[in-house]
Amino acid sequence: QVHLVESGGGVVQPGRSLRLSCTASGFIFSAYAMHWVRQAPGKGLEWVAVVSDGGTNKFYTDSVKGRFTISRDNSKNTLFLHMNSLRAEDTAVYYCASTPNWNYFDFWGQGALVTVSS
Amino acid sequence: DIQMTQSPPSLSASVGDRVTVTCQASRDISHYLNWYQQKPGKAPKLLIHDASILETGVPSRFSGSGSGTYFTFTINSLQPEDIATYYCQRYGNLFSFGPGTKVEIK
Repeated sequence: QVHLVESGGGVVQPGRSLRLSCTASGFIFSAYAMHWVRQAPGKGLEWVAVVSDGGTNKFYTDSVKGRFTISRDNSKNTLFLHMNSLRAEDTAVYYCASTPNWNYFDFWGQGALVTVSS
Repeated sequence: DIQMTQSPPSLSASVGDRVTVTCQASRDISHYLNWYQQKPGKAPKLLIHDASILETGVPSRFSGSGSGTYFTFTINSLQPEDIATYYCQRYGNLFSFGPGTKVEIK
């Protein structure tokens, strides 16, 4: 069955960088666009970024543009989120999610907690 | 930017009750609307996509309807395992979620 596992979360100081990974199994990873969605503690869901199946097309929410980069390595069934210039407001659980058609998120990972604090 | 609102923010109902949540978009989004269930400490789960299509394996007591700017999500007979927060999510011009509706048992 489909399995998405995030890793790379942790505590980081404001202004520093962090890279999240999402390893996929159980489906043809290279045929699916992939998203990152985050959830601040006690808050709702916020879409962060999406990358096309081949990795060419990428889109971001305004609050992370220029700071975050989504990428993927289809040879390793892995999705990445490179986060630079981190701010306290980036503190959240980050989920990776697959999408069969760019429209909805059908499978989700368990999430990785990123805490930005001095 | 298209804003999504949900009401109510929370509700309390009895087992067996019919529960309805509404989601409104600030502009016409056609049928580009999905619904998710999130239980505490867990990842969200897709229940309904494209406003009214039940995801495979989801119990038939869940349903969705609407188009344009107004959408509804219904649980036909609330069960104890339905305790969760429910989110609407639009697509089309990127993506965004509604603020969520927390459903509790009375």
